[in-house]
Amino acid sequence: GAVVSQHPSRVICKSGTSVKIECRSLDFQATTMFWYRQFPKQSLMLMATSNEGSKATYEQGVEKDKFLINHASLTLSTLTVTSAHPEDSSFYICSARDPGQRGDIQYFGAGTRLSVL
Amino acid sequence: GENVGLHLPTLSVQEGDNSIINCAYSNSASDYFIWYKQESGKGPQFIIDIRSNMDKRQGQRVTVLLNKTVKHLSLQIAATQPGDSAVYFCAEKLDSGSARQLTFGSGTQLTVLP
Repeated sequence: GAVVSQHPSRVICKSGTSVKIECRSLDFQATTMFWYRQFPKQSLMLMATSNEGSKATYEQGVEKDKFLINHASLTLSTLTVTSAHPEDSSFYICSARDPGQRGDIQYFGAGTRLSVL
Repeated sequence: GENVGLHLPTLSVQEGDNSIINCAYSNSASDYFIWYKQESGKGPQFIIDIRSNMDKRQGQRVTVLLNKTVKHLSLQIAATQPGDSAVYFCAEKLDSGSARQLTFGSGTQLTVLP
């Protein structure tokens, strides 16, 4: 299957700082990427849909000014958690669709464990 | 071993036995379904998918069954191995909408006993 790379895999930061997470499609171009958040022992919750060259679409209850998404190219989307607080600590996962294959499969990155002190 | 419904989030099976993981999806308008496997601390890994115009699809050691009448999806794993221990999620996609978003179920923790 298609490969999605996510970086960093783990980040520890102080409260009030901003953290940027990168999501790259390595062997295909992705016009659409998705950002999820996952708490321990829970399912994936969609935060936003990242669209190349246009604004991201945020799910209800997700603060767009806190979770900044930039999809500047067909292979890279970034999620920036601004002014992070301990309640933002979570597992963040990105995914991308490969339009060249059976286009509805989402391929996931390995996730980023964010710990805010 | 078999679990029924999302109120049983764990399933333990003996190595070598077959596993059946069930999922009740919510929207009758969903036209596409995927099963993902998620190991601890990792992102979900695609296992198998099925479209709503099919009721069965087989892969390597895995079979997905779809019953649209009762909105039920199952994943069967043959000859379960220790490496199959993980959380398994079903996901559905609505027929409408250009974003092709997936909605994930709550997941089932599969534990393979030696």
